[in-house]
Amino acid sequence: EVQLVQSGAEVKKPGEALKISCKGSGYSFTTYWIAWVRQMPGKGLEWMGIIYLGDSDTRYSPSFQGQVTISGDKSISTAYLQWSSLKASDSAMYYCARQHSGYDHWGQGTLVTVSS
Amino acid sequence: ESVLTQSPGTLSLSPGERATLSCRASLSISSSYLAWYQQKPGQAPRLLIYGASRRATGIPDRFSGSASGTDFTLTISRLEPEDFAVYYCQQYGISPHTFGPGTKVDIK
Repeated sequence: EVQLVQSGAEVKKPGEALKISCKGSGYSFTTYWIAWVRQMPGKGLEWMGIIYLGDSDTRYSPSFQGQVTISGDKSISTAYLQWSSLKASDSAMYYCARQHSGYDHWGQGTLVTVSS
Repeated sequence: ESVLTQSPGTLSLSPGERATLSCRASLSISSSYLAWYQQKPGQAPRLLIYGASRRATGIPDRFSGSASGTDFTLTISRLEPEDFAVYYCQQYGISPHTFGPGTKVDIK
């Protein structure tokens, strides 16, 4: 069974760093792209970027380029999304998803709350 | 970047009725890379349709998708109670893989 399991909810202060994770299982992790999607409270889905774990090829949305870093560790089938300095406006639910004929499997989401 | 526009913003219907949701792309995109998702409150999105018209695994056949140029349509032939949700289209052929703003289907 294909599964993407994300790390747990985070509560951080503005200016702090954060790295959240998405661990894949049940399939060959290095042969699919993994995307990150933001959903702010009560809002729609926003595509942030995508990584191919086979060679770490990464693409970013212009809206998120320079604001976050997407990375991965294929040895442990895990993709990451990180911030060096969080802002209150980064408070949102973040999903990872596997690209295969659309985005066919999604993680359960990681809720990030940034508040002083 | 291809911007996707969805209409209507909200669709109020009764169970058993037919729902027709639209998605228009600002730039020509291959229909091979257009998907539809359903999202219910507190849940991750679920893939319904990929390649504009292909149902994902386990999706009931009351869901169908079609394409005409830059216009894409998701049709739910007869709404079941569990179909009341928000629906998003997405193009995944060219980076960035943009989503539309969503159509909420609620109970009339």
